[in-house]
Amino acid sequence: GQQLNQSPQSMFIQEGEDVSMNCTSSSIFNTWLWYKQDPGEGPVLLIALYKAGELTSNGRLTAQFGITRKDSFLNISASIPSDVGIYFCAGRGGTSYGKLTFGQGTILTVHP
Amino acid sequence: KAGVTQTPRYLIKTRGQQVTLSCSPISGHRSVSWYQQTPGQGLQFLFEYFSETQRNKGNFPGRFSGRQFSNSRSEMNVSTLELGDSALYLCASSLVVAGQETQYFGPGTRLLVL
Repeated sequence: GQQLNQSPQSMFIQEGEDVSMNCTSSSIFNTWLWYKQDPGEGPVLLIALYKAGELTSNGRLTAQFGITRKDSFLNISASIPSDVGIYFCAGRGGTSYGKLTFGQGTILTVHP
Repeated sequence: KAGVTQTPRYLIKTRGQQVTLSCSPISGHRSVSWYQQTPGQGLQFLFEYFSETQRNKGNFPGRFSGRQFSNSRSEMNVSTLELGDSALYLCASSLVVAGQETQYFGPGTRLLVL
């Protein structure tokens, strides 16, 4: 089945630093989504990508859909303490109705 | 617009019991998906419903079932609960626009099986 490898598993950074995380898949995806999850809550959508090569920004967040359709990355610029949380990539392939395959998550800690 | 709502938020059950969780999608969204989240397995897809029909199903045993009503609200049921069913159960609703589908998640129901 499809698998997503998300890296790094965790990051400890200083406030103001930039962050980069990525996901690679063993299969081709048609959609890549990036979510952030706070403890005890559901994932919140950050960025959605629908085309290979697409580069999309949402404030300090930038994400790209890889040309091979098997990878995606998320960058966070000038991190702030409220960026703390778990970030997940998720991909959907073909006509897989409703089914997202999730990465393992990246735990981000930001030190003031 | 109100987001995806799930009830109850927390639930404690004992082994062998059954449980029913409810999800109300964002207004206008006709697709509802369910996921199980555990520390060991991460987020795993359970099933998806659209217009009261199950269109897709993950690799979970038959003890896990669901349904969708005509107003798009969905329920999932777990029968004969096992300790390993303890998890955060997430519901997501989605709308397809110009072939692009994006899923929005609810806050989840935290189930503890004792």
